[in-house]
Order: sequence, then C-alpha cells, then structure tokens
Amino acid sequence: DAKTTQPPSMDCAEGRAANLPCNHSTISGNEYVYWYRQIHSQGPQYIIHGLKNNETNEMASLIITEDRKSSTLILPHATLRDTAVYYCIVDRGSTLGRLYFGRGTQLTVWP
Amino acid sequence: DAGVTQSPTHLIKTRGQQVTLRCSPKSGHDTVSWYQQALGQGPQFIFQYYEEEERQRGNFPDRFSGHQFPNYSSELNVNALLLGDSALYLCASSLSSGEHNSPLHFGNGTRLTVT
Repeated sequence: DAKTTQPPSMDCAEGRAANLPCNHSTISGNEYVYWYRQIHSQGPQYIIHGLKNNETNEMASLIITEDRKSSTLILPHATLRDTAVYYCIVDRGSTLGRLYFGRGTQLTVWP
Repeated sequence: DAGVTQSPTHLIKTRGQQVTLRCSPKSGHDTVSWYQQALGQGPQFIFQYYEEEERQRGNFPDRFSGHQFPNYSSELNVNALLLGDSALYLCASSLSSGEHNSPLHFGNGTRLTVT
C-alpha cells in the first residue's frame, strides 16, 4: 500500500525551480523518504533520499518538514529532460527490495 | 560499469503461452527484484531473489515464478499468459551487504504484450 500522497500532475517552465510536494503523514521513525523518477519508456531512476535532515545532491534537493509528515523535492533549474513521473516513497530501506510505488506526479517542463 | 540489463526489450505472446524474461544485475549487486508496471500505474512488486532463493513475494499468483543463477542473474517466468499480464516488467538490483538505505537500480524493462 502506497503510504504517500502526491498531486497527479504539475508543470514548470524551463530554467525555473520545480517543487514537487509529497505527504506522508503516517511515516514511521525508521522510514526514509525516497524519490525516484521515470522518464517515458525507461526504468525508474533514483534521485535522492533522506531520513530527517534536508539533503542535496547533483540532481536535486530534498526538504523534509520537522514533523516528517511531508517533504518537497526541488529541481533547482528544470530542463526539458526533467519531464517525467516522479515517485515519492517511504520505506525502511530500499535494499529490502519491496518498494511501494503510487501513481506519482507527472512533471511537464515546458520551453 | 554496466547497469541493470534486461532482455528482450519487447515481446509479443498469445494467451495461454509461457514467457521467460531475463535480467543481469548491476555489477557487484547480488539481489534482484522484479516489478510489473501496467500502463498508467506505478510499478508493483512481484518478488525478490537473493542467494538463489525467493526471499519476498508480492500479491501475484503462482503463475509468476522466478530463478536466480549463481552469477546473480535472474529470470522471471509467467505461465498461462492472460491479457492482463500485458505490462512493462522491470528488474531492479541491490547489494544485500550494502547500507540498508541504498537505492535500487532499475533496468529499462521488458514490454510484454499478450494478444
């Protein structure tokens, strides 16, 4: 069962920041927040994950609220290649293999 | 460093037939998970293989079976195909001894069409 809620779709102008929200009000203390994305006709691609602190890597930033009930994935300068379905997943550890994907958010970046 | 590779990329089968899909994990990974993704849906977990044994299983019938070989590669078998089995089948790999929060690495999938 998906434990997250995401808007079905969002759009963003190229070069602007894309902020994708995710609600996970029932998250447990030992569960991480993972973000994957899936570009059309490809497999899901890992973006970032975090437990309670904000995280940043070369792809994106992850902001987790203090109560951990929601998070935001930030793509600081969206490009057309960022058009994809973005999945927010909470899990104790993805190496356990069993991730629950919802329907995600279709992000469309327009020129 | 080769990522997860799956074969074939596309496959067309007839109802009632059997199909075998193949997956080679990312170099250094020893655990393989399989997912089914119907059109417009997120991936759904089928099962996971580690040390040549099925370790976890999702809510899929026994028509779905798998195998893992000593070189960690894996096969997904589906018997008595139904029209509803038409989907993208994804393989993901991970390292069992790695940090438990390490991400999964996915292949680009096999698109199965059942007619």
